[in-house]
Amino acid sequence: GDSVTQMEGPVTLSEEAFLTINCTYTATGYPSLFWYVQYPGEGLQLLLKATKADDKGSNKGFEATYRKETTSFHLEKGSVQVSDSAVYFCALSALGYGGSQGNLIFGKGTKLSVKP
Amino acid sequence: EAQVTQNPRYLITVTGKKLTVTCSQNMNHEYMSWYRQDPGLGLRQIYYSMNVEVTDKGDVPEGYKVSRKEKRNFPLILESPSPNQTSLYFCASSLRPGRNTEAFFGQGTRLTVV
Repeated sequence: GDSVTQMEGPVTLSEEAFLTINCTYTATGYPSLFWYVQYPGEGLQLLLKATKADDKGSNKGFEATYRKETTSFHLEKGSVQVSDSAVYFCALSALGYGGSQGNLIFGKGTKLSVKP
Repeated sequence: EAQVTQNPRYLITVTGKKLTVTCSQNMNHEYMSWYRQDPGLGLRQIYYSMNVEVTDKGDVPEGYKVSRKEKRNFPLILESPSPNQTSLYFCASSLRPGRNTEAFFGQGTRLTVV
């Protein structure tokens, strides 16, 4: 079945460091890909998405490119801030019909801590 | 403000005592779903609903029930909770089911069953 694998955390960086969180997926066909972020004590919120191969999603300085050839969707940011400390989830939308299309398949999450 | 509201945020209960976690959205979304989040497992879908009176099982439905009598509400019911249902639960909604639609999440309900 469909699955998402993302790098294990936690990841600890200093402010202004470069961030990469790896995400690879297994799916039938070409799913849409998402990064969600969960700040402490809050629910998940969409960070960015890409719906087809070679699309680049971007938001708040974060970027990720849908790579069909490597089945990857790595999250990057050039200069992290303390306020970026959160748990990041890579996800894909399950292919199927009807309601099963809405099912998001999540990775296990990567906790990022940014130190001043 | 567009939001998904869950209640309660925290709940401690005993094995076998029926409980309901409420979920309400104010965005007129058709699609709603429940997830549970467990350490090392990420989020897994429990049940989903495509519209009023239309519900179906997700990946981990055992021990749960849901109902969708109104478009805005999607309660999660645990008829006889057990300790393995101790988890963090999230309700989510989106405009419609589909590959490209954004899901909006509630703030979560942390349930402990002793």
